[in-house]
Amino acid sequence: DIQMTQSPSSLSASVGDRITITCRASQRISDYFNWYQQKPGKAPKLLIYAASTLHDGVPSRFSGSGSETDFTLTISDVHPDDFATYYCQQSYTFPHTFGQGTKLEIE
Amino acid sequence: VQLVESGGVVVQPGESLRLSCGASTVTFKDYALQWVRQTPGKGLEWISFISWDGVSTYYGDSVKGRFTISRDDIKNSLSLQMHNLRPEDTGLYYCVRDVGRYCSGGACYGYDYWGQGTLVTVSS
Repeated sequence: DIQMTQSPSSLSASVGDRITITCRASQRISDYFNWYQQKPGKAPKLLIYAASTLHDGVPSRFSGSGSETDFTLTISDVHPDDFATYYCQQSYTFPHTFGQGTKLEIE
Repeated sequence: VQLVESGGVVVQPGESLRLSCGASTVTFKDYALQWVRQTPGKGLEWISFISWDGVSTYYGDSVKGRFTISRDDIKNSLSLQMHNLRPEDTGLYYCVRDVGRYCSGGACYGYDYWGQGTLVTVSS
């Protein structure tokens, strides 16, 4: 199985900050890579797919980059609504594995 | 919430259960569908995939041989038949739809629609 390793596991930030979350795949996965946001008690929501394509309705302050094994999610200007847990995922081969999550907390 | 799962209950080890997923405003036709479960211990875990045409199915090693995924595009529904349930199958089960059409397996892109989840508890 492809292992997805996210860092950091938690992150404190203030409104207006720029933050970056990274994810590393244990094998090359081209751009079959996705980011999700999850809030407590809710299902995950797709933010970015194909490593850098913003899903419909996702604010432009979110961006994704990377390919093969190393990927990043950047929030350029953290809004109050962005405090949540973020997961990376590879969808290159089964099983489609997820990272362990990064909890973005208010500083 | 545009996908709606049902069927999650408390069952004993070894019992069977069928989960269902439907959608009234989201079409399943031409899209691959999958099941993902979430537990406090293992986080998000991919469980099963069915291709857009229903021809191909894939399962995680932990459920292979015990779970069966199926779809009915006329009813716009997805099902997961679960047999010989184990305590480690306990979790919140989500049905999800692929963001792109016509994925037949392996390399697909993300999941754009998720249900609210249905809770399966396996305990004696």
